[in-house]
Amino acid sequence: GDSVTQMEGPVTLSEEAFLTINCTYTATGYPSLFWYVQYPGEGLQLLLKATKADDKGSNKGFEATYRKETTSFHLEKGSVQVSDSAVYFCALSDRVTSYDKVIFGPGTSLSVIP
Amino acid sequence: GAGVSQTPSNKVTEKGKYVELRCDPISGHTALYWYRQSLGQGPEFLIYFQGTGAADDSGLPNDRFFAVRPEGSVSTLKIQRTERGDSAVYLCASSSLAGSTDTQYFGPGTRLTVL
Repeated sequence: GDSVTQMEGPVTLSEEAFLTINCTYTATGYPSLFWYVQYPGEGLQLLLKATKADDKGSNKGFEATYRKETTSFHLEKGSVQVSDSAVYFCALSDRVTSYDKVIFGPGTSLSVIP
Repeated sequence: GAGVSQTPSNKVTEKGKYVELRCDPISGHTALYWYRQSLGQGPEFLIYFQGTGAADDSGLPNDRFFAVRPEGSVSTLKIQRTERGDSAVYLCASSSLAGSTDTQYFGPGTRLTVL
């Protein structure tokens, strides 16, 4: 079945460092891909998404490109801030079915220190 | 407008008891989803409603779990004879229309602890 794999955390970075969180997926159809973020004490929020190959999703300085050839959707940010400390989830939804059954990766915890 | 709300925010119960978890979706959203998030893991799909009917309940772990949405808005997740392994955060999400480009909006979750 469909699945998502992402790099294990926790990841600790200094402020203004470059961030990459790797994500790869397995899907039988043509999934949409997502990054969700969970800030401490808050609910899951959609950070960005891409619905087809070579699409780039971007939001709040974060970017991820849908790479069908490598089945990847790596999250990047050029300069992280302390406020970016959160848990990041890579996810996909399967278009083979008629609705968005979202399949999540295990999450990567990011801590940004001043 | 208001987002997805879930009550209670925390629920502590004893093994064997019955619990109900409530979800209020965003007004007008026809699609509603329940997920379960265990500690250190990503959310796992439980059940999906389109309107009043459960379109897919394939994620429910066993017959102790049941969910309803009688009027197509509020949903209740019901767990009978709770077990310690049911301890998790139960998340609800809603979207305006089922479809691969529609964003799911998540509630803050209910943290269930079974002693």
